[in-house]
Formats: sequence, C-alpha cells, structure tokens
Amino acid sequence: QSALTQPRSVSGSPGQSVTFSCTGSSSDVGVFVSWYQLHPGKAPKLMIYEVNKRPSGVPDRFSGSKSGNTASLTISGLQAEDEADYYCCSYAGRYIYVFGSGTQVTV
Amino acid sequence: EVQLVQSGAEVRKPGESLMISCKGSGYTFAGYWIAWVRQMPGKGLEWMGIIYPGDSDTRYSPSLQGHVTISVDKSTSTAYLQWSSLKASDTAMYYCARQGTWNYDSWGQGTLVTVSS
Repeated sequence: QSALTQPRSVSGSPGQSVTFSCTGSSSDVGVFVSWYQLHPGKAPKLMIYEVNKRPSGVPDRFSGSKSGNTASLTISGLQAEDEADYYCCSYAGRYIYVFGSGTQVTV
Repeated sequence: EVQLVQSGAEVRKPGESLMISCKGSGYTFAGYWIAWVRQMPGKGLEWMGIIYPGDSDTRYSPSLQGHVTISVDKSTSTAYLQWSSLKASDTAMYYCARQGTWNYDSWGQGTLVTVSS
C-alpha cells in the first residue's frame, strides 16, 4: 500500500489561509479520511475525521474537504502554533489504513 | 480521560529481540482496536497494523507482515509490539493509537527504538 501523496511543504503568514491536498487511488481516499497534526517531540493529534468533522477542542479554523480521490485540509487565520507537520490518513479496505507522506506547514 | 502510556526508549543491537508496550486506561480497552504507527528518522508516519483486544484479531500492513508481531493482554489493558530479530532499519519512533470510528483519536507518547551495533 503506497503512501498517499501530500505536498512536502506549504507556508503562509499569520492570519492567512493555507490549503493542502492528500491524493491517492480511488480505493484509498474514501469518506474515512482523517488528518493529524504532529509537533516535534509530541504525539500526533487528531484534527479532522470523516473528511470534514472536527473533534471537540479543535479550532474551527481547521476544515477538511474531499473531491474525487483528493482530500484537502484548510487552515484559516494561520497562527504561530499551527506550525507543524500534518498527515492525512485513509481507510484503504480490508482493515488496512494508509498515511499520507506529510506536509510541513510553516507560519 | 483516555490515556495510552507507552514503555520507555530502548537501545538494542541488530539481531536482538525487543517488545514494547502500550497500556490503555480511561475507557473499555477491549472494545477498541489499537494501532501501531512508526516514524523512521526524517520520514513520515507509517501504519503498521492493528489488534482488537476483545478477541486478539490482528491485521498487518502487507509491507511489514512477518517482521513484527502485535499482541495484547486484555487483563492488563496492554498492547505489545515485538521483534524477534531487530535490524538497523527498525530504528524509529513507535506510537500506539486507539482507533475510534475510522480514525485515531488518542495516541501514546511514543517509544523511541534505536538499533545500532
């Protein structure tokens, strides 16, 4: 199972918005796409699940969407603490999951 | 509060065996799949496999099956990741995570495994 494809890095100024993608085959990127934030030295944190749902406590400036085989994460109103690596993850069938290659967000 | 607490960092030589652990608390451990995810140095997250503590049903990533063993002790709410013969390429940070509904909603703090001669 190959990793889902994400851009290596994106950057934006405080207050701006950034959007980045997660692309796979039709069997990879379904409706069960989630996104994780990873700060150095800390455990990953669930930010978005089932394409566009936010867990309790995640700011509403984080939003997700999907079109075809591509899921996207948008961070609106960038803040310094949003600087981190972000990974998408999708259920690929037969109990198997696959992560994306990761996107480094620089603020 | 849901918590997953992993065992501490390990240093081993190639060819040695190793078992690391992940202890869950704050929820019904037997009712949720537990996944293992690795991050090799400078690389991204990689899904390794999952186990259902209720019946020990286990699934592995096709690329890793046969090299690692995932197990669980339901009585102590602990999941394990085990190697019988480590390689230098097993050097990585390993995370356990609770699988919620099609996502990983709680994570352990990570266990750093270093394999070096």
